[in-house]
Amino acid sequence: GNSVTQMEGPVTLSEEAFLTINCTYTATGYPSLFWYVQYPGEGLQLLLKATKADDKGSNKGFEATYRKETTSFHLEKGSVQVSDSAVYFCALRPDSWGKLQFGAGTQVVVTP
Amino acid sequence: DTAVSQTPKYLVTQMGNDKSIKCEQNLGHDTMYWYKQDSKKFLKIMFSYNNKELIINETVPNRFSPKSPDKAHLNLHINSLELGDSAVYFCASSQGDSGGAATQYFGPGTRLLVL
Repeated sequence: GNSVTQMEGPVTLSEEAFLTINCTYTATGYPSLFWYVQYPGEGLQLLLKATKADDKGSNKGFEATYRKETTSFHLEKGSVQVSDSAVYFCALRPDSWGKLQFGAGTQVVVTP
Repeated sequence: DTAVSQTPKYLVTQMGNDKSIKCEQNLGHDTMYWYKQDSKKFLKIMFSYNNKELIINETVPNRFSPKSPDKAHLNLHINSLELGDSAVYFCASSQGDSGGAATQYFGPGTRLLVL
């Protein structure tokens, strides 16, 4: 079956540090890959997505590249801010109806 | 303008009660979803409707019954609430769904606490 594995948190960083959150997946076919962010007390927001191999999604300084050879979709940001403190979810959707499958989420805490 | 809205935002109730959570989207989407997020933040899909038809029904107790009166609404009714139903329930919507690339837009969540 399909699954998403992401690094456990919490990840604690100082402001302006480099952030990487690892995400790997197992899926048949060619899934679409997503990163969602959940700020404290809020719902999920799409951060970025990639729909085919070697696509790079980017938004708000975050980037992730769809690597089919390593089945990975790692999230990176060069210089984090306190406002980036949130829970980040990696997710995939296979070539079929519905079923957005999430990883367990990684909490990121950025300190001043 | 709120794209995907849910009511209520908080719901505290006793075991054994029946409750409903409402979801509305004003994005003109034709597909809507319910997800459950447990205390460890793990998210799992429960149901999905496309054009008012049920297309995903995960292994969810039949105490949970979704109802879609029209494409813009997907409500969740829960009978005989149990302690383990305590969670945050998220509604989401997307335009189309086949192919897997459609972006899902999430509501703010309903925090359900069963005492």
